[in-house]
Amino acid sequence: NAGVTQTPKFQVLKTGQSMTLQCAQDMNHEYMSWYRQDPGMGLRLIHYSVGAGITDQGEVPNGYNVSRSTTEDFPLRLLSAAPSQTSVYFCASNQDRVGEQYFGPGTRLTVT
Amino acid sequence: GQNIDQPTEMTATEGAIVQINCTYQTSGFNGLFWYQQHAGEAPTFLSYNVLDGLEEKGRFSSFLSRSKGYSYLLLKELQMKDSASYLCALSPSGGSYIPTFGRGTSLIVHP
Repeated sequence: NAGVTQTPKFQVLKTGQSMTLQCAQDMNHEYMSWYRQDPGMGLRLIHYSVGAGITDQGEVPNGYNVSRSTTEDFPLRLLSAAPSQTSVYFCASNQDRVGEQYFGPGTRLTVT
Repeated sequence: GQNIDQPTEMTATEGAIVQINCTYQTSGFNGLFWYQQHAGEAPTFLSYNVLDGLEEKGRFSSFLSRSKGYSYLLLKELQMKDSASYLCALSPSGGSYIPTFGRGTSLIVHP
């Protein structure tokens, strides 16, 4: 199993550009989440999904959209990039509602 | 809501024992996680405590006291490779069940 994969690993955007961060898992996990990690701030939840077709907002959802059309994929869309969205983005999945999360390797995004 | 506190940074010597504390205020939770994160890498699961008491896994142990709002991660026989951030996270008892993370403790192990 590849586990949780994320692409791209690095990305530089200009303010106002849009893009999609990809996340996929091959473990047939129902639960998937997107976090951002900033220095001194820990991991903060952006959006999450409890199954295909079901998504909801986390702590910091503004400026981001998600969709979950399949169990495997959970893309994160930045609608109009801002410098405040410069961060490291992690996707995670878990099988059980309260199970351990498996994290992808992260996407390092810089918005200039 | 949930509020989780951890020390920002700790240092220790190779071969020693270190205890990383996590205190929290919450209206209810299922359990408490500990994750390890090396610099530039993704977090990886270490432990999950549901009941009060100590859970031991090799050199790592985790303790939970619900009545005191307190957990700790105990690392024994420290090795240089244990230099990493250690993240405490609570799984809420309602709503999404998606864990909320503390800011993490950066552990530096010196020779």
